[in-house]
Amino acid sequence: DTAVSQTPKYLVTQMGNDKSIKCEQNLGHDTMYWYKQDSKKFLKIMFSYNNKELIINETVPNRFSPKSPDKAHLNLHINSLELGDSAVYFCASSQAPQYNSPLHFGNGTRLTVT
Amino acid sequence: AQKITQTQPGMFVQEKEAVTLDCTYDTSDQSYGLFWYKQPSSGEMIFLIYQGSYDEQNATEGRYSLNFQKARKSANLVISASQLGDSAMYFCAMREGWGGGSNYKLTFGKGTLLTVNP
Repeated sequence: DTAVSQTPKYLVTQMGNDKSIKCEQNLGHDTMYWYKQDSKKFLKIMFSYNNKELIINETVPNRFSPKSPDKAHLNLHINSLELGDSAVYFCASSQAPQYNSPLHFGNGTRLTVT
Repeated sequence: AQKITQTQPGMFVQEKEAVTLDCTYDTSDQSYGLFWYKQPSSGEMIFLIYQGSYDEQNATEGRYSLNFQKARKSANLVISASQLGDSAMYFCAMREGWGGGSNYKLTFGKGTLLTVNP
């Protein structure tokens, strides 16, 4: 049973297109996240939702829009894709937003914009 | 200032030997958590070990242990009896405070690439 699953695993698309990445967790966690890992492997948070409420919105272009229809799902929609959006996007969840709650990550979505 | 510093971009270790991966952190909070994650070449992020700021004992999980020195603000990961499968990128991360705003996020270091030689 996959705890945090995201689809698709790979996404290749052209500049200017719109795409979505879906994420689901079956751990019963309250908090979900999107992280971006760049080509140098640096991981940076983008968004976080707690009980469907947006609690973190880092400095991310407004072409990126998260949506949490329920506690178990957090999707990421990207409009007008640019070359610089190429990266690995990780979804994660944690039981709570508190400091002692580890994040459990999905396997990542490798986005390539050509 | 960087919140998490991993000064070793790459480390090499012989199979069956122990290795220490360094991590220092910067926070003014009293309550915080420190985490280590492993990312093998297949790309997934695997949670290894957690140390809370109030924990008096160093955390241990199987072959992983954390050398936590609070006054020095360091949380080094020790892997004992290295195996070939330990070859991966290792990330140190910190979560500050107790809820609220940016305290919800886990901030990562730049990682250390560990190579285990046979």
